Amino acid sequence: EAGVTQFPSHSVIEKGQTVTLRCDPISGHDNLYWYRRVMGKEIKFLLHFVKESKQDESGMPNNRFLAERTGGTYSTLKVQPAELEDSGVYFCASSPRPGQGGYGYGYTFGSGTRLTVV
Amino acid sequence: GQSLEQPSEVTAVEGAIVQINCTYQTSGFYGLSWYQQHDGGAPTFLSYNALDGLEETGRFSSFLSRSDSYGYLLLQELQMKDSASYFCAVEKTGRRALTFGSGTRLQVQP
Repeated sequence: EAGVTQFPSHSVIEKGQTVTLRCDPISGHDNLYWYRRVMGKEIKFLLHFVKESKQDESGMPNNRFLAERTGGTYSTLKVQPAELEDSGVYFCASSPRPGQGGYGYGYTFGSGTRLTVV
Repeated sequence: GQSLEQPSEVTAVEGAIVQINCTYQTSGFYGLSWYQQHDGGAPTFLSYNALDGLEETGRFSSFLSRSDSYGYLLLQELQMKDSASYFCAVEKTGRRALTFGSGTRLQVQP
């Protein structure tokens, strides 16, 4: 089965520009998550979709970040306008059920998009 | 503040055994997970402890003690390909998403 695919793998943009990241989850996975790792720190949760609905967006840093999942398939994360502190690796993950909930199932992550804002 | 603490770096030699600790201050979580990430790659699920005790999967074992707020990942018969970053993570009660530790970079030397 195909894994979680993210595009682009790398993006370098100037401060103030707009960037859109895309994530294609594993087919049939209703749950899609965005995470971010900044400057070698911990991987931080951004938001969680169940199908096309935002289940939890408490980790979104501010209103410059907009995530969508039209049709409940792929998702996009737009940063507009980008700031220097937005640099980092953005990971997408999917799972067939909401979280592990004691069942021990792991999430499947994509390889991430490395965003550099200069 | 940071809920899960890990050593930032660990170095070991091929064939050795290494233990990566994870201490936490969070309460109310479903279980402790471990993920491996090679540079430029995807975090990959390694193991999960829902209950206290030891879980073994091949060369990797993971341990959880809720009473001690502590867990660890044990890697045996280290290989060069085990050089990577290792993250502990929990799902806090009420949130269906992972909270990660800051990660431990493991360097395996010949």
